[in-house]
Amino acid sequence: QSALTQPPSASGSPGQSVTISCTGTSSDVGNYNYVSWYQQHPGKAPKIIISEVSKRPSGVPDRFSGSKSGNTASLTVSGLQAEDEADYHCSSYAGGDNLWLFGGGTKLTVL
Amino acid sequence: EVQLVESGGRVVQPGGSLRLSCEASGFTSDKYTFYWVRQAPGKALEWVSLINWDSSHTYYADAVKGRFTISRDNRKNFLFLQMNSLRSEDSALYYCAKGGLYYYDAMDVWGQGTTVTVSS
Repeated sequence: QSALTQPPSASGSPGQSVTISCTGTSSDVGNYNYVSWYQQHPGKAPKIIISEVSKRPSGVPDRFSGSKSGNTASLTVSGLQAEDEADYHCSSYAGGDNLWLFGGGTKLTVL
Repeated sequence: EVQLVESGGRVVQPGGSLRLSCEASGFTSDKYTFYWVRQAPGKALEWVSLINWDSSHTYYADAVKGRFTISRDNRKNFLFLQMNSLRSEDSALYYCAKGGLYYYDAMDVWGQGTTVTVSS
């Protein structure tokens, strides 16, 4: 069982928007604005797409956006494209002994 | 080009030891925090360890504390993970990842990973 909770799957048609949630606790997601999201295509390494809740690194399309409310962070993918089909992982800084937590990952399918 | 390349993964028996390496290139690595993150087949990512820029601070996940040791050689741009008392549950693809200047900075560059299989 992962420390952060994500839905195992999500889907949408091309052009639609999809939101993936990431739920932690008041000790991690709720306590720090250091939530990041990673995209992972099959057989590939994770790639950062969102840092610090909502910041997009250079080169990441603005179709990807992040937000947070309380203990839950969210990733929204707007204008879905075929190449967005991948696994998405959230992560949160947690301080303490276990500094970083990951979610279980969400498989996004573009229908 | 900023790049991380891991090596050292192989099949090892339970109770055995292994040393993973990660070579950084394309940037000056000595300023940054580095991580090891693992992923068992079909499973979630799991943070394993963190080392700060000058090796003065290291942190470990509870699952590996006391068995794994992270280290770095800034002169040669290498990161290492010494893994002792290996268990079957340590079998995974091990990634090294670059962070920022602070422990809470995200992992912004990842290697392709090296596979560790613990089996008799």
